[in-house]
Amino acid sequence: ETGVTQSPTHLIKTRGQQVTLRCSSQSGHNTVSWYQQALGQGPQFIFQYYREEENGRGNFPPRFSGLQFPNYSSELNVNALELDDSALYLCASSRPTMGLAGGRVTGELFFGEGSRLTVL
Amino acid sequence: AQSVTQLGSHVSVSEGALVLLRCNYSSSVPPYLFWYVQYPNQGLQLLLKYTSAATLVKGINGFEAEFKKSETSFHLTKPSAHMSDAAEYFCAVRYNFGNEKLTFGTGTRLTIIP
Repeated sequence: ETGVTQSPTHLIKTRGQQVTLRCSSQSGHNTVSWYQQALGQGPQFIFQYYREEENGRGNFPPRFSGLQFPNYSSELNVNALELDDSALYLCASSRPTMGLAGGRVTGELFFGEGSRLTVL
Repeated sequence: AQSVTQLGSHVSVSEGALVLLRCNYSSSVPPYLFWYVQYPNQGLQLLLKYTSAATLVKGINGFEAEFKKSETSFHLTKPSAHMSDAAEYFCAVRYNFGNEKLTFGTGTRLTIIP
């Protein structure tokens, strides 16, 4: 089975520009999460998409937006780039299952290798 | 707010020595806990996870971790370090069971001394 793939791997933008990052989820996974990892820090949760709808959002401003497509791939869009947006952006896919009580049970997250964004 | 704290941003051990990476969590409800490893220029790989079953969890590459509720800890250990263990290690916690949001610690960089 194919793993999580992200593109581009590296990109450089200038302040005020917009960027789109792409993620193809692992085969059979219907949930995609995005994380921002600044240099020397742990990843920070941006948001998650499940069945094409946002399902949870971290402490990020509205200029961070996303999409999930019917094939479960996803995009992360960042508008009006700021210098502090420079980071490694990680995508992770998973396939939650239904628990005994009927609620969703998390599946293991499989991470891609990330897109490294530099904002000048 | 729920969080994890990793004590020691850098840990160095000799090859063959015990590896101990510390993680403490804050929570008012039982959490799910995870350890991930990140090699240079790569994404995160799951080492092991605690999901309220056995308190001693065994993972890949000879790593294990013990959930201690009384100490709110989930420390990662490996009896004998190998050069290939050099990497960044992240402890993470999940509380919101409506989604897969993970809250990560700041990471511990493990260096292996030959």
